Amino acid sequence: DAGVIQSPRHEVTEMGQEVTLRCKPISGHDYLFWYRQTMMRGLELLIYFNNNVPIDDSGMPEDRFSAKMPNASFSTLKIQPSEPRDSAVYFCASRKGGSNQPQHFGDGTRLSIL
Amino acid sequence: AQSVAQPEDQVNVAEGNPLTVKCTYSVSGNPYLFWYVQYPNRGLQFLLKYITGDNLVKGSYGFEAEFNKSQTSFHLKKPSALVSDSALYFCAVRDSDTGGFKTIFGAGTRLFVKA
Repeated sequence: DAGVIQSPRHEVTEMGQEVTLRCKPISGHDYLFWYRQTMMRGLELLIYFNNNVPIDDSGMPEDRFSAKMPNASFSTLKIQPSEPRDSAVYFCASRKGGSNQPQHFGDGTRLSIL
Repeated sequence: AQSVAQPEDQVNVAEGNPLTVKCTYSVSGNPYLFWYVQYPNRGLQFLLKYITGDNLVKGSYGFEAEFNKSQTSFHLKKPSALVSDSALYFCAVRDSDTGGFKTIFGAGTRLFVKA
C-alpha cells in the first residue's frame, strides 16, 4: 500500500520566496495533519483537516502560513514570504476516522530558508 | 488539558539487555495512548496503541507497553534490545472523552543501543 507521499523531500530557497509543500494522504483517510519538527520545539501540530475542511489552525505560526485541501487526495502548505526561522522538517500525516486510530506519517520535507 | 511527558532525553542500553522508555500522561477523560518510532530522515512510524482492555499491549518489532492507570504511565519496553532499535521514540495521547481530535506528542526520547 502506498503511504503518505510528500513532495519535495528537500527544499532550499532564499528568504522572501514563496514555498509550497505538497501532500497526498492515504486513500480513504479522512483526517489530514500538518506538523513541523525542529530541535528546539519538537513536533508541533500546525493545522488539521477533516473531510477536506480545516478544523483547527491554531498552530499555524502566523499569517505567512496557509494550508488548503482542495480534495481528498491532495493538500498544500504554503509559506509566503518565507523566513530563515521557518527552516524545519514539515510532516504530513493522515488517519482513517476513529479517534482510536494511529496517524500515518509521510517522510517529510526538509526546508531550508537561506 | 492533555499533556505527555517523556522524562528522559536519551536512554542508553547494551545490545541484548532489556530496555524501557518512560512516558507519563495527563488527560481529563479516558486516554488513547500511542508509541511511534522515528528513524533518521523518515517520518514517525506507529508501533503500538492502548485503547482499552489488557494493560499490556504488544506491538511491532517485539516492543510492548504497559498501561498503568494509577500512575498515569505508558512505558515502552523490549526484553532484548537490538542495535537497529536505535532511534527517536515518541509517546502520544488522545483524550477519548473530548472526541479525540487532537493527538498530543511528547518531546521524544532518543534510544541508543550499543553493540
